[in-house]
Amino acid sequence: GDSVTQMEGPVTLSEEAFLTINCTYTATGYPSLFWYVQYPGEGLQLLLKATKADDKGSNKGFEATYRKETTSFHLEKGSVQVSDSAVYFCALRGTGGFKTIFGAGTRLFVKA
Amino acid sequence: EAQVTQNPRYLITVTGKKLTVTCSQNMNHEYMSWYRQDPGLGLRQIYYSMNVEATDKGDVPEGYKVSRKEKRNFPLILESPSPNQTSLYFCASSQLRGPQETQYFGPGTRLLVL
Repeated sequence: GDSVTQMEGPVTLSEEAFLTINCTYTATGYPSLFWYVQYPGEGLQLLLKATKADDKGSNKGFEATYRKETTSFHLEKGSVQVSDSAVYFCALRGTGGFKTIFGAGTRLFVKA
Repeated sequence: EAQVTQNPRYLITVTGKKLTVTCSQNMNHEYMSWYRQDPGLGLRQIYYSMNVEATDKGDVPEGYKVSRKEKRNFPLILESPSPNQTSLYFCASSQLRGPQETQYFGPGTRLLVL
């Protein structure tokens, strides 16, 4: 079945450092790919989305590119802030329905 | 204000006592979903609905029921709760317009089954 694998955390960075959180997936066809963010004590927020190969999703300085050849959707940000400290989830939604599979999440700590 | 509301926010119950967690959205979204979040497992989808009277199983539907009689409401029913259903539950609603998607999550319901 479909699956999503994220790098294990926690990831600890200093403010203004470059962020990469790896995400790879297994799926048939061409799923849509997502990144979500969950701030402490809150529900999830959709951060960005890509629906086809080579699409780049972007939002709030975060970017991720849908790489079909490597089945990856890595999250990047050029300069992180303390306020980016949160848990980040990669997810996929298969074609023909609304079934959504999430990764286990990666916790990010950003130090001032 | 656009929002998804869930009730109750916290619930302690005992094994076998039927319960319902309500979810309501005020954005006229077509799609709604229920998820459970457990440490180390991320979120797992329980059920989803693509419109009124259209529901389907997610990854972990066993022990749960849903209904979608009105567009705004998507209650989650546990007919006979068991301790392994202790979890944090989130409801979400979505609207798709081509590749663009608007999605909102509720604040979560923390359930403890004794």
